[in-house]
Amino acid sequence: AQRVTQPEKLLSVFKGAPVELKCNYSYSGSPELFWYVQYSRQRLQLLLRHISRESIKGFTADLNKGETSFHLKKPFAQEEDSAMYYCALSANTGTASKLTFGTGTRLQVTL
Amino acid sequence: DAGVIQSPRHEVTEMGQEVTLRCKPISGHDYLFWYRQTMMRGLELLIYFNNNVPIDDSGMPEDRFSAKMPNASFSTLKIQPSEPRDSAVYFCASSPKISTDTQYFGPGTRLTVL
Repeated sequence: AQRVTQPEKLLSVFKGAPVELKCNYSYSGSPELFWYVQYSRQRLQLLLRHISRESIKGFTADLNKGETSFHLKKPFAQEEDSAMYYCALSANTGTASKLTFGTGTRLQVTL
Repeated sequence: DAGVIQSPRHEVTEMGQEVTLRCKPISGHDYLFWYRQTMMRGLELLIYFNNNVPIDDSGMPEDRFSAKMPNASFSTLKIQPSEPRDSAVYFCASSPKISTDTQYFGPGTRLTVL
């Protein structure tokens, strides 16, 4: 069975400081990892996926299969980054990709 | 497109009452997912449908929970009887056939069972 672990419930950083939101996973197959974000009073939405290898809003995430990690990073935090972040793993069940989410980390960026 | 629509946005009920949550997926999306969000367990997949057919309901906590999708534009999640431990935010999400990894979430229904 797949599992996603986000060890921090809350991460508080100052504006301009680097951010790293941790995500570890366990899965016997070939994983596909995602980060979803929920801003205040907005819907949960996809932020980025590892296969795209893209930077979204300054955030990047690299899949490290050796450490089974998919940490989300940003060099300089902005106030508007304050949100709830969920790491998710996709397990292809044949008919659909079933997402398993971590418990989430709340990022708080303060002045 | 208004995106995924859920109703009601908030529901307060008493233990033992029946609760029905509703969802309208994005038009043209073949997959519909129901999730429950709690502080302790985060987001948990309860059940998902493909073309109105339930595919995987292994996340449904117990027989008190049931979900239906009578047509492509409507789904319900029912709890009968409700219990205080069912208090949570329930999300509905839909995705197109091509990319089921990208799920579009509704605003959620915050359920409080007293």
